[in-house]
Amino acid sequence: GNSVTQMEGPVTLSEEAFLTINCTYTATGYPSLFWYVQYPGEGLQLLLKATKADDKGSNKGFEATYRKETTSFHLEKGSVQVSDSAVYFCALNSQGAQKLVFGQGTRLTINP
Amino acid sequence: KAGVTQTPRYLIKTRGQQVTLSCSPISGHRSVSWYQQTPGQGLQFLFEYFSETQRNKGNFPGRFSGRQFSNSRSEMNVSTLELGDSALYLCASSLGFGQPNNSPLHFGNGTRLTVT
Repeated sequence: GNSVTQMEGPVTLSEEAFLTINCTYTATGYPSLFWYVQYPGEGLQLLLKATKADDKGSNKGFEATYRKETTSFHLEKGSVQVSDSAVYFCALNSQGAQKLVFGQGTRLTINP
Repeated sequence: KAGVTQTPRYLIKTRGQQVTLSCSPISGHRSVSWYQQTPGQGLQFLFEYFSETQRNKGNFPGRFSGRQFSNSRSEMNVSTLELGDSALYLCASSLGFGQPNNSPLHFGNGTRLTVT
């Protein structure tokens, strides 16, 4: 079945540091890949997405590239801010379904 | 445009009781999905509705059920509550079934259910 594996957290960085959160997946077919972010007390917000191999999703300084050969979709940001502190979820869906399969989430804390 | 609205935000129930959670999707969105979020199991898909029909179902017992109304609003019901049902229940809406690439899910802030 489909599954998503994220790097274990929590991750703590200083402001302006470089961020990488690893995400790998197992899926049948050609899934779409997503990163969602969850701030305290809130639901999930879509951060970025990629729908086919070699696509790069980007938003708010975050980027992720759909790598079919390594089945990965790692999240990166060149210079993090305190406001980026949140839980980040990698997810996939496939076969035209609205059902998302999520990774376990990575808690990110940015210290000033 | 208003986002996905879930009510209530917090709920405390006793084992054996039943509970109904409500979700109003973004205007124009016809698909509503429900997810359960717990520290141990993470985010798990419950079910999805489109045009008042259940299109997809996750691996949850029959105590978990849902429905969708003609205005796309949705409710989910959990009967005979167990302690393990304590979780954040998230509702998400999108434009339509089979269009995930063009219409990603928009999540509400969730209903936090505590079963004592």
